Amino acid sequence: GQQVMQIPQYQHVQEGEDFTTYCNSSTTLSNIQWYKQRPGGHPVFLIQLVKSGEVKKQKRLTFQFGEAKKNSSLHITATQTTDVGTYFCAGFEGSQGNLIFGKGTKLSVKP
Amino acid sequence: DVKVTQSSRYLVKRTGEKVFLECVQDMDHENMFWYRQDPGLGLRLIYFSYDVKMKEKGDIPEGYSVSREKKERFSLILESASTNQTSMYLCASSLWGGLKETQYFGPGTRLLVL
Repeated sequence: GQQVMQIPQYQHVQEGEDFTTYCNSSTTLSNIQWYKQRPGGHPVFLIQLVKSGEVKKQKRLTFQFGEAKKNSSLHITATQTTDVGTYFCAGFEGSQGNLIFGKGTKLSVKP
Repeated sequence: DVKVTQSSRYLVKRTGEKVFLECVQDMDHENMFWYRQDPGLGLRLIYFSYDVKMKEKGDIPEGYSVSREKKERFSLILESASTNQTSMYLCASSLWGGLKETQYFGPGTRLLVL
């Protein structure tokens, strides 16, 4: 079945450093979504990418969808303490099936 | 704003007890989901429902059942709780419109089975 692999599992950075999490699928995805879960909170939708090679930005966050629609990345420029949490990617394969979540990358930021 | 609520934030039960976890959404969403979240394992889908009285197994349905008698309510049932069901349980809902819709999550129920 479809798997969505996400790396790294944990990332600890100094405030101001950049951060990137990567998502890879064994099969072509129809789209990919990104969620953020703050400590003690629940996952909250950030963005959805649909087109091959698509790049979207939200302030310091840059989301990319690979040309082959099998991988995606989330890059945070100049991290802040408010960025701490776990970032999940989630992908759909084809028009059927469920949203498959990656295991998440837990980001901690040292002030 | 979409609101998804879960009946309890924290729950402690004993092995063998029957446990009900309730989820309610107020946005007339067709799709509802139950996940469990465990460290290092991410979010795993237990059951989902696309309509009233309709249910489908997810990736880890063993030991669980669900009920959807009304559109806004999706219940997760542990028929006989076991210690390996200690976990964070998250409910989510999404609009019909294909499976590509955003999922909105509830606050979660942290269940401890002793």
